[in-house]
Amino acid sequence: TAGITQAPTSQILAAGRSMTLRCTQDMRHNAMYWYRQDLGLGLRLIHYSNTAGTTGKGEVPDGYSVSRANTDDFPLTLASAVPSQTSVYFCASSRDRGDEQYFGPGTRLTVT
Amino acid sequence: GESVGLHLPTLSVQEGDNSIINCAYSNSASDYFIWYKQESGKGPQFIIDIRSNMDKRQGQRVTVLLNKTVKHLSLQIAATQPGDSAVYFCAEKDDKIIFGKGTRLHILP
Repeated sequence: TAGITQAPTSQILAAGRSMTLRCTQDMRHNAMYWYRQDLGLGLRLIHYSNTAGTTGKGEVPDGYSVSRANTDDFPLTLASAVPSQTSVYFCASSRDRGDEQYFGPGTRLTVT
Repeated sequence: GESVGLHLPTLSVQEGDNSIINCAYSNSASDYFIWYKQESGKGPQFIIDIRSNMDKRQGQRVTVLLNKTVKHLSLQIAATQPGDSAVYFCAEKDDKIIFGKGTRLHILP
């Protein structure tokens, strides 16, 4: 199995443009998460989904939206990117909320 | 409020020696703790976990110790190898999982 995959690996995006970061897992996990990781700040939760059809806000949700139309996919959308959204974005999944999380390889996003 | 932190941001250890990475947590209701390893350019990877009804758990070359009295968690790595170079995160779980900021383990030749 592939586990959890993310696309793209990296992206340079002009400020004001929109972008969707893709995340797919094949472990049939119920819960999925999006984090951003910035130097000195560790992992910060953006949005999460406990099960298909539901989503919730994390610690830093502003400027981001998510959807969970099915179990496998959990895309993260930036509607109008700003330079402060330059970061490394990690998607993760777990069998259920609170269980051990499995992380994707990350997407490095630079907003110019 | 809740917080998970690490005593040292960087730890340098001689190859072959044992490494000890420490973590403090503040939520006494946390019942599950996890250590993750993150190598450069990769996502965090699960190493070992421990539940609050235990005070020690061993894996392959790694041991996690939990001291609930002082709300302290440690990760011990035996016979540290170059491949152990990474950032190590502790995480605690009450209702949700909260990650600490990480400690970078640097292996000296």
